[in-house]
Amino acid sequence: EDQVTQSPEALRLQEGESSSLNCSYTVSGLRGLFWYRQDPGKGPEFLFTLYSAGEEKEKERLKATLTKKESFLHITAPKPEDSATYLCAVQAGYGGATNKLIFGTGTLLAVQP
Amino acid sequence: NAGVTQTPKFQVLKTGQSMTLQCAQDMNHEYMSWYRQDPGMGLRLIHYSVGAGITDQGEVPNGYNVSRSTTEDFPLRLLSAAPSQTSVYFCASSLGSFSYNEQFFGPGTRLTVL
Repeated sequence: EDQVTQSPEALRLQEGESSSLNCSYTVSGLRGLFWYRQDPGKGPEFLFTLYSAGEEKEKERLKATLTKKESFLHITAPKPEDSATYLCAVQAGYGGATNKLIFGTGTLLAVQP
Repeated sequence: NAGVTQTPKFQVLKTGQSMTLQCAQDMNHEYMSWYRQDPGMGLRLIHYSVGAGITDQGEVPNGYNVSRSTTEDFPLRLLSAAPSQTSVYFCASSLGSFSYNEQFFGPGTRLTVL
């Protein structure tokens, strides 16, 4: 069964303290891995798409990497405004079954000043 | 552009009542989807559409109906609400397959079924 697991469930950092969030997956036929940010009471906001092992993408203090079994979201020198829930999702399968995303349960990040 | 809009923001229903959650987008996106988000479960796909007149079931379709008569609108209907349908519902859209296109989410509808 296709599955996405995110860890840790919650993470508290001091401002400037770098860390990484993990997304591990077991799927058949990975077509893409996606990272989203979700603020309280709002819908998810797209951050990155990764397609193949070894790929990396960066946006401000965030860098996403992908291996054959997991993805990491590295946060460098975080600021309080980076506080949010970070969601990972994978798109897997073949043919018509590719129009679906499987989401993890997210990592709640709190950055204290 | 307003992006993806959802109405209402909050709704309380009694068991057995029916209602329609509205979703509209003004970006001329072909793909639209409905998700529900429950604590500890992550987002789960209910139904999706790849264009006007074309819909398909997602992971948790039971108890929900959809139709797509226009590119802009993708309403979600609850035929007979049950407490298990208490959740936050998100509508999303993308220009094409979200393999290669950013998926935009609406602000959500928080539904409580008593």
